[in-house]
Amino acid sequence: AQRVTQPEKLLSVFKGAPVELKCNYSYSGSPELFWYVQYSRQRLQLLLRHISRESIKGFTADLNKGETSFHLKKPFAQEEDSAMYYCALLSLSGTYKYIFGTGTRLKVLA
Amino acid sequence: GAVVSQHPSWVICKSGTSVKIECRSLDFQATTMFWYRQFPKQSLMLMATSNEGSKATYEQGVEKDKFLINHASLTLSTLTVTSAHPEDSSFYICSARDRSGSYEQYFGPGTRLTVT
Repeated sequence: AQRVTQPEKLLSVFKGAPVELKCNYSYSGSPELFWYVQYSRQRLQLLLRHISRESIKGFTADLNKGETSFHLKKPFAQEEDSAMYYCALLSLSGTYKYIFGTGTRLKVLA
Repeated sequence: GAVVSQHPSWVICKSGTSVKIECRSLDFQATTMFWYRQFPKQSLMLMATSNEGSKATYEQGVEKDKFLINHASLTLSTLTVTSAHPEDSSFYICSARDRSGSYEQYFGPGTRLTVT
């Protein structure tokens, strides 16, 4: 079964503290994974894709096939990072749709 | 680049009426568009995938006759909620994928539907 699990609905951290948003997936085959972010009253926007191996706004995510994880990390959280974060798995069968996790709301406290 | 718009952004309709939501890719051609439904503080639920010029592929549990999807051109897809009921009240989001071969989806701002 193809599935994405984000175990935390809400994650609160203080400004300057490290952040890790967890994402685990279930997929037979080579996965393509993404992180999307939705700031308050804004549309979903792509934050990271694993194949790019990039760092956006200080966030990084490494694909760990052994642990079937794609956790999102940032060493020092900023208040403007407060948002809803969704992990998405690209399903390469049929319509090439995304399978989204349930999302994690990140609150960065001053 | 890669902007997706939705119209209207907010609509109220009476129970039993139909409402149409438009999704447009403004600066690219979208062979595939997706329609999602988002409940308050919850994740996105994919309703259907539409490809230009062909019938939409609906996810399990989504009523095809209730949620009519048309993808008549490479820049426009529409979702019509027919015979709307209060339980159809939700936030509907579309996304589009361009023809370049990338699988990235670009999301619209969403449409808030309230059925009274």
